[in-house]
Amino acid sequence: SYVLTQPPSVSVAPGKTARITCGGNNIGSKSVHWYQQKPGQAPVVVIHSDSDRPSGIPERFSGSNSGNTATLTLSRAEAGDEADYYCQVWEGSGDYVVFGGGTKLTVL
Amino acid sequence: QVQLFESGPGLARPSQTLSLTCSVSGVSISSGKYYWSWIRQPAGKGLEWIGRIYNTGRPNYKPSLESRLTISLDTSQNQFSLSLSSVTAADTAVYYCAGGDYYGLVHYWGQGTLVAVSS
Repeated sequence: SYVLTQPPSVSVAPGKTARITCGGNNIGSKSVHWYQQKPGQAPVVVIHSDSDRPSGIPERFSGSNSGNTATLTLSRAEAGDEADYYCQVWEGSGDYVVFGGGTKLTVL
Repeated sequence: QVQLFESGPGLARPSQTLSLTCSVSGVSISSGKYYWSWIRQPAGKGLEWIGRIYNTGRPNYKPSLESRLTISLDTSQNQFSLSLSSVTAADTAVYYCAGGDYYGLVHYWGQGTLVAVSS
């Protein structure tokens, strides 16, 4: 089965740039979505289709995808960005959706 | 405004069947606009996609759950349902219903419902 690997945690200083990776076999050939989840809330998509940002999501969020790694980049990090972040793909050969294990972003 | 709402027992007995229903408003589930999914999250853990169904009634399931899983549509009620058999404590989680596109992007989430598996 297809596996997506994320670092369990990433820390960033306020105002600096955080990068959260999502590793998967030839993930660059798939469409990657990123979700932000805060405690007690349903996830919210922050990046879809590798690098598209939904309306209402700050420009500070960006995404890229190539080879075996997709990356969510958060510029000028703020305390309010602290959350769990999940990557997701559709595994077309098996007809199922896969989530990464999630990364806890700490802004300190 | 599309809204989803999960309902069902908050407790399931080990080895029994867990059943949940998702009521959808704002769009017809038979319209073909969205794929209707179930996603769960054990306390303190990550998101796990369980399966989904389209207006054709054809489901897709997570391979490791497929033998215990049934997802179905009730177009007359604009609802879709989850049935997970032979449950164990490992199935204890917040269960979300969701609506999204072919590539799994979730556009709409329910608020989530906690189901505990315990005797």
